[in-house]
Amino acid sequence: DQQVKQNSPSLSVQEGRISILNCDYTNSMFDYFLWYKKYPAEGPTFLISISSIKDKNEDGRFTVFLNKSAKHLSLHIVPSQPGDSAVYFCAARRRGSTLGRLYFGRGTQLTVWP
Amino acid sequence: NAGVTQTPKFQVLKTGQSMTLQCAQDMNHNSMYWYRQDPGMGLRLIYYSASEGTTDKGEVPNGYNVSRLNKREFSLRLESAAPSQTSVYFCASGEQGMNTEAFFGQGTRLTVV
Repeated sequence: DQQVKQNSPSLSVQEGRISILNCDYTNSMFDYFLWYKKYPAEGPTFLISISSIKDKNEDGRFTVFLNKSAKHLSLHIVPSQPGDSAVYFCAARRRGSTLGRLYFGRGTQLTVWP
Repeated sequence: NAGVTQTPKFQVLKTGQSMTLQCAQDMNHNSMYWYRQDPGMGLRLIYYSASEGTTDKGEVPNGYNVSRLNKREFSLRLESAAPSQTSVYFCASGEQGMNTEAFFGQGTRLTVV
C-alpha cells in the first residue's frame, strides 16, 4: 500500500518557467517531509525538507508547500533550468520513528527544455 | 570526505549464486540503511541499523541478510540470488533526530540472470 503518492510520472517544463511537482500522503502520522533529486546512475541527493509544524519552506529557487488538511505537498522550482532535469522523489517520515524509515513516492521525471 | 561508498557499482549474478554488497560511510552516522529501487516503484527499505550492533527489517527483507560490522560499515548479503532481486541497491546513512536527512551512496546495479 503506497503511503506516499506521486501521481505524475513525468513533467515537462520550458526553461525559465515554474515547475510544480506534487505529492500526496495517506498516513496522518507523517511529520517530516523531504524531497530528493536523482540523476541517472547516481544516488538520490537531498534537496529540501519541511516539518509538519510549517506550511512553507524556501531555499533559493526551491520552495516546498505543505497542506496538512489535504495531506498534500508540492515542490516549486522557479525559474526552472535544464540542469534541474532529474527524477524527484517525495519522502515522508513517521512521528517517533528513527531517521531512516523514510517512505518514498515513485518519483516524477522532470524535463526542462530550452 | 567520500560520504557513503558502495561496492561494487555493477554486478551480474546467476540464479542461486550469493554475494555481498558493501557499504561504508565516513560521516560518523549512527544509522545506516539499505534500499532497493525498481522501475516505477520508488525506493523501498530492505533493512536498517539504528546503531552499531542492531539491525531491523524494513518493508522488503525477504531473501536478504545484513551485517553491521562496525559503525562505518553495513553490508547486504544475498544468499541465493533470484531474478526478482534484479534491482538498483542504495545504501544510506544518517543521524537520528527530528529534522535531518539521509545521505545516499551511488548505488549498486545488480542483475540476476
